[in-house]
Amino acid sequence: SQQGEEDPQALSIQEGENATMNCSYKTSINNLQWYRQNSGRGLVHLILIRSNEREKHSGRLRVTLDTSKKSSSLLITASRAADTASYFCATDIRAGANNLFFGTGTRLTVIP
Amino acid sequence: SAVISQKPSRDICQRGTSLTIQCQVDSQVTMMFWYRQQPGQSLTLIATANQGSEATYESGFVIDKFPISRPNLTFSTLTVSNMSPEDSSIYLCSVSQGSYGYTFGSGTRLTVV
Repeated sequence: SQQGEEDPQALSIQEGENATMNCSYKTSINNLQWYRQNSGRGLVHLILIRSNEREKHSGRLRVTLDTSKKSSSLLITASRAADTASYFCATDIRAGANNLFFGTGTRLTVIP
Repeated sequence: SAVISQKPSRDICQRGTSLTIQCQVDSQVTMMFWYRQQPGQSLTLIATANQGSEATYESGFVIDKFPISRPNLTFSTLTVSNMSPEDSSIYLCSVSQGSYGYTFGSGTRLTVV
């Protein structure tokens, strides 16, 4: 079964606004990763946060992780039309196991 | 990070036939991973391909339906056999980049008619 669930399933915002996507998962993790997918193509890795980290930044991206609540959030600040894509969280549950479990995904639409 | 070339990018196939998808990596990697993404769904791991040994399949996936080859450390193929419309999906290969996450191929969009 899928490891994670994301909400919202779909999000539509105006350009310049911030977008927040949430991910919940079920078991202990080694790390949690966020990916982006444009129009059903390959996935692009955005950011990885380890289980002992609480927050991480990369450019306009901010990821938080709360292992006590088994949840993570991805914040995209100052969104652009080019950010329109599907975003997936994925959990790596065992170090060295190389087995990613993907969440259900959030479809983000940024309106110019 | 590694670059993966995945072919074909899309195909339309008749039911009952087979399609082989190829992934070429520009560096040597121990494990390659094959995923399926059904329409509007998330990704599900099909199997892990190791060089020199049989692939390890996840629950619900079997070798007869999805045979995998891994002849060397830079190449792998996934065959979707005896296809039915339910096999219509995007198939993706990937490799681990350690703390930089996973790199994915561009995907193969398969439609079975």
